[in-house]
Amino acid sequence: DAKTTQPNSMESNEEEPVHLPCNHSTISGTDYIHWYRQLPSQGPEYVIHGLTSNVNNRMASLAIAEDRKSSTLILHRATLRDAAVYYCILRDDYGQNFVFGPGTRLSVLP
Amino acid sequence: DAGITQSPRHKVTETGTPVTLRCHQTENHRYMYWYRQDPGHGLRLIHYSYGVKDTDKGEVSDGYSVSRSKTEDFLLTLESATSSQTSVYFCAISDRSGFTGELFFGEGSRLTVL
Repeated sequence: DAKTTQPNSMESNEEEPVHLPCNHSTISGTDYIHWYRQLPSQGPEYVIHGLTSNVNNRMASLAIAEDRKSSTLILHRATLRDAAVYYCILRDDYGQNFVFGPGTRLSVLP
Repeated sequence: DAGITQSPRHKVTETGTPVTLRCHQTENHRYMYWYRQDPGHGLRLIHYSYGVKDTDKGEVSDGYSVSRSKTEDFLLTLESATSSQTSVYFCAISDRSGFTGELFFGEGSRLTVL
């Protein structure tokens, strides 16, 4: 699986937008970009995924660079409940393994 | 929330004893996974199943075995537990393979091997 690189930690103020970056310079044409997050003392939960086009759902937006070598998870208005570790993962149609790296620990300040 | 139950949620055992962790789902999903999570390593895949009696190894399968005799249950067994297997274990399920498969995770089982 291709690797991703994320900042170790980020901080945001409550009710402000948050942009979580992910670099994946070795991404292949069949790799989908997935984001999961893990709240304290819980298992990871799905956030969003995409291939080429930007994606929106009720939780977040995913902006994918035109060359697909990077992407950004956007939380439009951070809440205290969004404090979690966010994982950016690449997955193709053949692999069963989601490779979870260390992720980005997001702190949300009131 | 997806219907996934892990048991036990907490267990303390001694080196050399066998341990079985159970993952039970009520979603009738085909794919089931066992991950372990350790500080500094993120989540790592131990074994997965793509159907009843169909299993395969993940990246850290040494010292672990699995069984799936029914769609709803996926068992992870440590035949002889070691201190290096102290970890938090997560079960996950998915109804689809490949790029569209969304994983649903259980709440985790914390295992301490003394």
